[in-house]
Amino acid sequence: GNSVTQMEGPVTLSEEAFLTINCTYTATGYPSLFWYVQYPGEGLQLLLKATKADDKGSNKGFEATYRKETTSFHLEKGSVQVSDSAVYFCALSDYKLSFGAGTTVTVRA
Amino acid sequence: NAGVTQTPKFRILKIGQSMTLQCTQDMNHNYMYWYRQDPGMGLKLIYYSVGAGITDKGEVPNGYNVSRSTTEDFPLRLELAAPSQTSVYFCASSYATGPDEKLFFGSGTQLSVL
Repeated sequence: GNSVTQMEGPVTLSEEAFLTINCTYTATGYPSLFWYVQYPGEGLQLLLKATKADDKGSNKGFEATYRKETTSFHLEKGSVQVSDSAVYFCALSDYKLSFGAGTTVTVRA
Repeated sequence: NAGVTQTPKFRILKIGQSMTLQCTQDMNHNYMYWYRQDPGMGLKLIYYSVGAGITDKGEVPNGYNVSRSTTEDFPLRLELAAPSQTSVYFCASSYATGPDEKLFFGSGTQLSVL
């Protein structure tokens, strides 16, 4: 079946540091890939998505590229801010969403 | 816009009690979902619905029931609460599945069963 594996946290960074969260997937077919973000005390919200191989999703300075050859969708941001502190979930959809376990990111001033 | 509204935000139950978690959305979405979020485990799908009158089981349906009498509402029922049901519950809705899928989540219900 479909599954998503993302790097375990927690991750603690200083402001302006570079952030990478690794995500790999297993799927039959050609799923769409997503990153969702959960800020403290809130529900999840869509951060970015990519629907086919080599697509790059981007939003709020975050980027992720759909790599079919390595079955990966790593999330990156070049310079994080305190406001980026959240839990990040990688997910895939083959007409039903499967979520990774989430990675907690804390950015210190 | 209200989006997806869940009530209550917090609840403590005793073992064996029952309760209903309410979920309503005002976006006219056909697809609605209930997830539970356990620490370090990500989100697990409990039940989902593709439209009024149609529901189906997700990965972890045991101990729960749902109904979908209207497009707007998708309540989740716990009949005999057990400590294993201590979790954070999220309701979500979407207008499509597959490539155009985008879930809108409620703010969650934190449930403790003691």
